[in-house]
Amino acid sequence: DAKTTQPNSMESNEEEPVHLPCNHSTISGTDYIHWYRQLPSQGPEYVIHGLTSNVNNRMASLAIAEDRKSSTLILHRATLRDAAVYYCILRNPNTGNQFYFGTGTSLTVIP
Amino acid sequence: EAGVTQFPSHSVIEKGQTVTLRCDPISGHDNLYWYRRVMGKEIKFLLHFVKESKQDESGMPNNRFLAERTGGTYSTLKVQPAELEDSGVYFCASSLRTGRSRNTEAFFGQGTRLTVV
Repeated sequence: DAKTTQPNSMESNEEEPVHLPCNHSTISGTDYIHWYRQLPSQGPEYVIHGLTSNVNNRMASLAIAEDRKSSTLILHRATLRDAAVYYCILRNPNTGNQFYFGTGTSLTVIP
Repeated sequence: EAGVTQFPSHSVIEKGQTVTLRCDPISGHDNLYWYRRVMGKEIKFLLHFVKESKQDESGMPNNRFLAERTGGTYSTLKVQPAELEDSGVYFCASSLRTGRSRNTEAFFGQGTRLTVV
């Protein structure tokens, strides 16, 4: 299972940008980088995913290092509703597509 | 469109009893996954269905757990007999069937909180 490493927790002020880092030094060429988040008492929720190029969607941006050994999830303006545990996950469509969750980063948004 | 639905949302049973959890995936999603989080631990993969077939059940902890997906629609996860260490939150997820070159998002249900006393 490809492993990811994330800080246990981070804090951000409301309406400021947040950069959530993830290291995945053992990533293989066919692993996609996925980010999910889990709000309290809910199931994990898709945020964004990418393979090599940076990605943007309505929720966030994903910046992927050139060597793909790390990535950063960017929330452009944190809101109180963004307080959640964020999981960086490597997912390989050639080996079953299941997720291997780590401990994730618990994001606290300060009003 | 309805999301992934899990039932019940909570279940409290005594050690030795049987519990059956149900998951209704999003219509048209061939892939169905079961995950669980036991207290204080990470979310762990249990098994993966493609339609009615078990693609990967390497995460099933022991033979007290039985998952089925008859007809390739909803799935059930039965725990018989339940033990104290089975307590946790059980999540179901579904996704579209993809080719090797694609990788799509998975949609998770709200989970079933199982407490074995």
